[in-house]
Amino acid sequence: AQTVTQSQPEMSVQEAETVTLSCTYDTSENNYYLFWYKQPPSRQMILVIRQEAYKQQNATENRFSVNFQKAAKSFSLKISDSQLGDTAMYFCAFTITGSARQLTFGSGTQLTVLP
Amino acid sequence: KAGVTQTPRYLIKTRGQQVTLSCSPISGHRSVSWYQQTPGQGLQFLFEYFSETQRNKGNFPGRFSGRQFSNSRSEMNVSTLELGDSALYLCASSLGGAGNSPLHFGNGTRLTVT
Repeated sequence: AQTVTQSQPEMSVQEAETVTLSCTYDTSENNYYLFWYKQPPSRQMILVIRQEAYKQQNATENRFSVNFQKAAKSFSLKISDSQLGDTAMYFCAFTITGSARQLTFGSGTQLTVLP
Repeated sequence: KAGVTQTPRYLIKTRGQQVTLSCSPISGHRSVSWYQQTPGQGLQFLFEYFSETQRNKGNFPGRFSGRQFSNSRSEMNVSTLELGDSALYLCASSLGGAGNSPLHFGNGTRLTVT
């Protein structure tokens, strides 16, 4: 079975600063995907970024980037130039290749961006 | 394109009753997945439907069931409601083919069981 661990229940960051959210996972699979989703108060889960395990290059989407360490089973999210609209619950998620609709989620990190 | 639509947004039911939640996927998406979100258990996968067939199922009792119609719309049913079924139920749609197309979530249905 796969597990995803987010050890930081809450974090805060000043507007325009950089913050890193941590995620570790455990799996015996070799082919998988990792995701970061955000859930603002509107409740809708929004995909922030995804990483394919076979790709060594870290994924980047504008101000969001990941540090994917496959051997260490670590998948952290870095948010640069934090904005007030980044305030949300952030979930790390995992899925086996070919089973993309069955995600295993971490417990989440509540990020608050302070003005 | 319209996003994933879930109805109703809020629902209050009594223990022992049954409930049906509805999800309309993004046009062209053939896969619909359901997740339960609670403060205690977090986000848990319920099941996935593709082309009217259940393709994957999570570890939930048989009281939780679903179906998908020919237009890809999906319904989820919970029978004999228990207090612990109070949760946010999220639906997600995707293209659902052999590839790993990303999930697009709706705003959820907040179910309260009293």
